Amino acid sequence: SAVISQKPSRDICQRGTSLTIQCQVDSQVTMMFWYRQQPGQSLTLIATANQGSEATYESGFVIDKFPISRPNLTFSTLTVSNMSPEDSSIYLCSVEADRENYGYTFGSGTRLTVV
Amino acid sequence: GQQLNQSPQSMFIQEGEDVSMNCTSSSIFNTWLWYKQDPGEGPVLLIALYKAGELTSNGRLTAQFGITRKDSFLNISASIPSDVGIYFCAGRPYGNKLVFGAGTILRVKS
Repeated sequence: SAVISQKPSRDICQRGTSLTIQCQVDSQVTMMFWYRQQPGQSLTLIATANQGSEATYESGFVIDKFPISRPNLTFSTLTVSNMSPEDSSIYLCSVEADRENYGYTFGSGTRLTVV
Repeated sequence: GQQLNQSPQSMFIQEGEDVSMNCTSSSIFNTWLWYKQDPGEGPVLLIALYKAGELTSNGRLTAQFGITRKDSFLNISASIPSDVGIYFCAGRPYGNKLVFGAGTILRVKS
């Protein structure tokens, strides 16, 4: 299955600033997914990043707050903009393993703390 | 949207005991996945299920895709300390998105 490198692994940021998280995959994938995992909670899908088109956002998430780039089939970034303490979470990128195996592979996550 | 109900919320068991957890949904899913997440890591896929009634094993882990397509269970036999972690079920309705359960926190007492 695909290997995902995600960075930074963790960061502590001041409120009002922005952080860009990078996700690099070792193979070409059609779709990449960005998730948020709030402390002690499950995973919530933020958006689906498609190469060559705008990301598709889930209810409750907007492009102005979480802009996403997908410049090619192996890379994506998620920016958390104008951060507040409520944005403190783990952010994870994920890809579909392959067409036959519907399992999804996850990066190790970015643990964000906003102070 | 679709929601998954995962239970139990947490378990504290003796090493060597068997563990069972399950997920139910109000709607039909065409794929069920079980993940384990260790602290500071992303979820790692344990078992993937694609067909109603399917029973799949991975070492000491066994999972089944319910016949109604609305539920799945995961069993862990003869638990060991490294089984500690958070276990998530995830369902895939028709389409690309995964929906996750709330997770089961497993603690093992040796």
